[in-house]
Amino acid sequence: GQQVMQIPQYQHVQEGEDFTTYCNSSTTLSNIQWYKQRPGGHPVFLIQLVKSGEVKKQKRLTFQFGEAKKNSSLHITATQTTDVGTYFCAGRPSGSARQLTFGSGTQLTVLP
Amino acid sequence: DAGVIQSPRHEVTEMGQEVTLRCKPISGHDYLFWYRQTMMRGLELLIYFNNNVPIDDSGMPEDRFSAKMPNASFSTLKIQPSEPRDSAVYFCASSPGHMGSPLHFGNGTRLTVT
Repeated sequence: GQQVMQIPQYQHVQEGEDFTTYCNSSTTLSNIQWYKQRPGGHPVFLIQLVKSGEVKKQKRLTFQFGEAKKNSSLHITATQTTDVGTYFCAGRPSGSARQLTFGSGTQLTVLP
Repeated sequence: DAGVIQSPRHEVTEMGQEVTLRCKPISGHDYLFWYRQTMMRGLELLIYFNNNVPIDDSGMPEDRFSAKMPNASFSTLKIQPSEPRDSAVYFCASSPGHMGSPLHFGNGTRLTVT
């Protein structure tokens, strides 16, 4: 079945440093979504990417969807302590009615 | 809108007991999902409904788990009998009526089975 892998599993950064998490799917995706889960909280939708090669920005966050629509990345510039949490990608296989498969998540710690 | 509402927030029960988790989706959302989150297995889709009809329950671990959606504003996930390995955070999520819609998660129910 479809697998969505995320790396790294954990990342500790100093406040002000950049951070990137990568998401790779074993199958081509129709779209990919990113979610953030604060410690003790629930996943909150951040963004959806649909087109091959698409790049979207939300303030300090930059999201990319690969040309082959099998990988994606989230980059945070100049991290802040408010960025702490676990970032999940979730993808839906192309041509399938199957629901989203979530990656394992990257847990980000920002040291002040 | 109050968002997706789950109850209880925390549940501690003894092995063998029946557990019922409840969810009220966002009004007007056609899809409802039940997820389970653990450190070992991450976020797993258990079952989802479309217009109150169960569509895919292939993620339900075993017959001890059952889910119902008697109407558009209420769903339950029942575990009977519960086992310690069922301990996890259970999330309910809802989304509007097309496949690419984002999921809106509830606050979750943290279940501990001793």
